[in-house]
Amino acid sequence: NAGVTQTPKFRILKIGQSMTLQCAQDMNHNYMYWYRQDPGMGLKLIYYSVGAGITDKGEVPNGYNVSRSTTEDFPLRLELAAPSQTSVYFCASSYSESGGPYNSPLHFGNGTRLTVT
Amino acid sequence: AQKITQTQPGMFVQEKEAVTLDCTYDTSDPSYGLFWYKQPSSGEMIFLIYQGSYDQQNATEGRYSLNFQKARKSANLVISASQLGDSAMYFCAMRDLTGNQFYFGTGTSLTVIP
Repeated sequence: NAGVTQTPKFRILKIGQSMTLQCAQDMNHNYMYWYRQDPGMGLKLIYYSVGAGITDKGEVPNGYNVSRSTTEDFPLRLELAAPSQTSVYFCASSYSESGGPYNSPLHFGNGTRLTVT
Repeated sequence: AQKITQTQPGMFVQEKEAVTLDCTYDTSDPSYGLFWYKQPSSGEMIFLIYQGSYDQQNATEGRYSLNFQKARKSANLVISASQLGDSAMYFCAMRDLTGNQFYFGTGTSLTVIP
C-alpha cells in the first residue's frame, strides 16, 4: 500500500541545470498536485491535474512544467534551475467526482528537498 | 484574496491540556470542504480531520475535533489532552466548489510543554 511515492528525496542542483521530480500514486486518484513549501511557510500550488492528459497552472507555475500521460504518474520538470527554486516539493493526490462530495483529502508524498546553488 | 487565514504563528500548550488552533476562511461557494493537516519536524503531511460545509455536526477524530462556525467562516481545530507528540506545524486547508484546488493557510507551530 504505497500511496504517493516521490523520488528523489534529496537533490542538489547547480544554477541552470534541469531535473525531473517523479511522482506516482497507486490509489487510482484522478486529481494530482505539485506544491512547494519554502522554509517556515505554507504550501503553494505549482501545477495540478484533474485527469490523464489534463494539467493546469497553480499559483506559482513559472520555471516548471508538468505532464500527465497516465493516471498514476505526474512528473514535475524544472528547467534552468534558479536559487529561488530551493524548496521542499510535495506531490499529492486526491479523488473527486464532478459536483462533489469534497470530502476526499489530499494524500501527500514524503517530499523532495531541493537545493539550487 | 487569501482564502485561508491562520493568525497564530506559534502556540504553546501544557501537556494534557486542550488547545485551539484558529482558522478562518473566505469563500462565496455554497459547498466546500475544510481540512486540517499536521506536519511534524520529519516533514510529512498527515491528514487529521475533515468538515463539510453542509455537515450539521462538528467533526471529531479521536482527540481532534473541529469547531465549525459557518456564519463566522471559522473552522478551528481543538486538540484535547495534548501530548508531546502533538508538537508540529498545523495547516488548515479548504477545497473549493470545483473541487480542483486546495487552499492552505500559513500554518501554526504548536509546542507542547512537559
